[in-house]
Amino acid sequence: DSGVTQTPKHLITATGQRVTLRCSPRSGDLSVYWYQQSLDQGLQFLIQYYNGEERAKGNILERFSAQQFPDLHSELNLSSLELGDSALYFCASSATHDGYTFGSGTRLTVV
Amino acid sequence: AQSVTQPDIHITVSEGASLELRCNYSYGATPYLFWYVQSPGQGLQLLLKYFSGDTLVQGIKGFEAEFKRSQSSFNLRKPSVHWSDAAEYFCAVGARMNFGNEKLTFGTGTRLTIIP
Repeated sequence: DSGVTQTPKHLITATGQRVTLRCSPRSGDLSVYWYQQSLDQGLQFLIQYYNGEERAKGNILERFSAQQFPDLHSELNLSSLELGDSALYFCASSATHDGYTFGSGTRLTVV
Repeated sequence: AQSVTQPDIHITVSEGASLELRCNYSYGATPYLFWYVQSPGQGLQLLLKYFSGDTLVQGIKGFEAEFKRSQSSFNLRKPSVHWSDAAEYFCAVGARMNFGNEKLTFGTGTRLTIIP
């Protein structure tokens, strides 16, 4: 157990739907990062939050949004889902420049 | 902006043989450097990291990596691989910025296959 908790582990949904992925960072970690991993795109950085504030954006689609709450957990919202959004979505957290700790991911399948 | 290149998409090694996975980075100054391992269906686990100081860093599971500034490389090595080392390996580079503003950029990964 890495200390970073992601739920759900698996998600199957239909095109056009909206889903929410949840991440609880390691205790004390202020930064949360979201990554998308697919076979053709590799590991793509989506967005970073630090203590509730958005700090960096990567290749995140406009249909996707995220937030970090006062208790530091984060949610990634994916809407108007397309088949191509099927991927593994990882959350990671960090407290210092010590590297990231990753969760085990949410596997999203859009059918 | 920083970038990472892992030139080997797939490497096959015999069990007990030595291993070297290549990683080249692009960054204007000395970066933070990391190696992660991902087993099938799992998240990424940190193997080792370089911040400063000794350019040869030791990690978990018997892995080590050497930072070579002149070659902009951070290659991962293991003297004798085990079947359990079969996985995907990712090199990552982080910019030296104030904490809270940095992000890691990952390479495309190298898949390691171990044959008996």
